[in-house]
Formats: sequence, C-alpha cells, structure tokens
Amino acid sequence: DVKVTQSSRYLVKRTGEKVFLECVQDMDHENMFWYRQDPGLGLRLIYFSYDVKMKEKGDIPEGYSVSREKKERFSLILESASTNQTSMYLCASSATRWGTAEAFFGQGTRLTVV
Amino acid sequence: GESVGLHLPTLSVQEGDNSIINCAYSNSASDYFIWYKQESGKGPQFIIDIRSNMDKRQGQRVTVLLNKTVKHLSLQIAATQPGDSAVYFCAENTRSNSGYALNFGKGTSLLVTP
Repeated sequence: DVKVTQSSRYLVKRTGEKVFLECVQDMDHENMFWYRQDPGLGLRLIYFSYDVKMKEKGDIPEGYSVSREKKERFSLILESASTNQTSMYLCASSATRWGTAEAFFGQGTRLTVV
Repeated sequence: GESVGLHLPTLSVQEGDNSIINCAYSNSASDYFIWYKQESGKGPQFIIDIRSNMDKRQGQRVTVLLNKTVKHLSLQIAATQPGDSAVYFCAENTRSNSGYALNFGKGTSLLVTP
C-alpha cells in the first residue's frame, strides 16, 4: 500500500516563527502536493511538485514556500507564521505527472498559530 | 477560475437507505474525476474514480455517475451504514502547463442515523 507520512499530527507555533511541515511518500511517486483544509472551504491547493527541485504554485501560495530536494520528500515552509495560517495541512502524492491517477493523502497536520 | 462545487453541504439519511451526493463542475476539458471520503481526524481516502469516456462506474456499494452534458457528477451509496458517516469530496483533474493537480469541491457531510 502507498504510504504518505506527515511528520506531525499536531503543532502549535507562535506568530512570526518559521515552520516546517514534512511529508514523505514511499511509492516513488512523481507528483507531490500540499493542501490546506478549512471548514466550509474544502481542500485548497497551496503548491505542488512534479519532480525534484521543481515546484508549481497552486491556488493559495501566498505566505508559503516549498522544498523538494529528494523525490520522496516534500516540505512546506511557513516563513513567518501568522494566525490566519492556523489550519489542517494535508500532503498527497500521485504516480504520474501527466496521467490520470488518484492522489494518496497523509493523515494531516493540524497547525495552530498563537 | 473554474471550480468544482457541491449542491448540498450536509445530508442526513437513515441507515439502510440509499444516499446520493451531487457535484457540479465547470471545466468541460476535465477528463478524470475522483470521489474521496474523509473520516474525522483522517486524511481523505479514495472511494471511486471515473474517466470522461464513461458515464457510470460501479464499486462495492458505490456508483459514480457522470453527465458531461450538464457537467454533473454524483456518488450513490447503497444501503448506507453508520460507517459511511463522513465528509465526501469530489475532485476534478485539472491540467496546467506543468502537469495535473486535483481541484476539490467544498465537501458534503453525510450523517447516517440509526
């Protein structure tokens, strides 16, 4: 089975801190994604990556950056955390960049910025 | 931009009844759709998918219908059980210049009552 693992289930950070959310997948997938999930807004795409060192902005990239130094790992970075970034963050991976393939999700990281 | 949306934010059904969850999409070029189920505290899990060259696909107790004429997608769950209580998302495979990413609707909460 595909496994997507997010490093933390719960995080509490202070306003202005630099925050790293880590995600690892074990199926050699090309694509990796970061979404945030808020009540009533569904899942919104922040960034995605289709190869090492490559990244593509999603719908809401402001305030975030990403890093993909290895194929299996995709990191989401909040350069200076703010309270409006309090949310559930979901990482996902899918097999192919151009094909039609389902995305597999991690269990999510609930981030609270105080 | 174009978006995926749901008709009903919440749905309450009795155990044993059939459930129908609806989704509208607006990108006529979309060629792949997925339904996800998200239980409390977990990441979304794949239920069933359908490609645009099909109008119906069946799984175990679930059926997805695709009507490309009116850009409508539905998920039917037969003999709904308490374990089906969750939030259900439809997702549309959206193509950019760099690759595919899934665009999610806002979700429908399904509550199964005994």
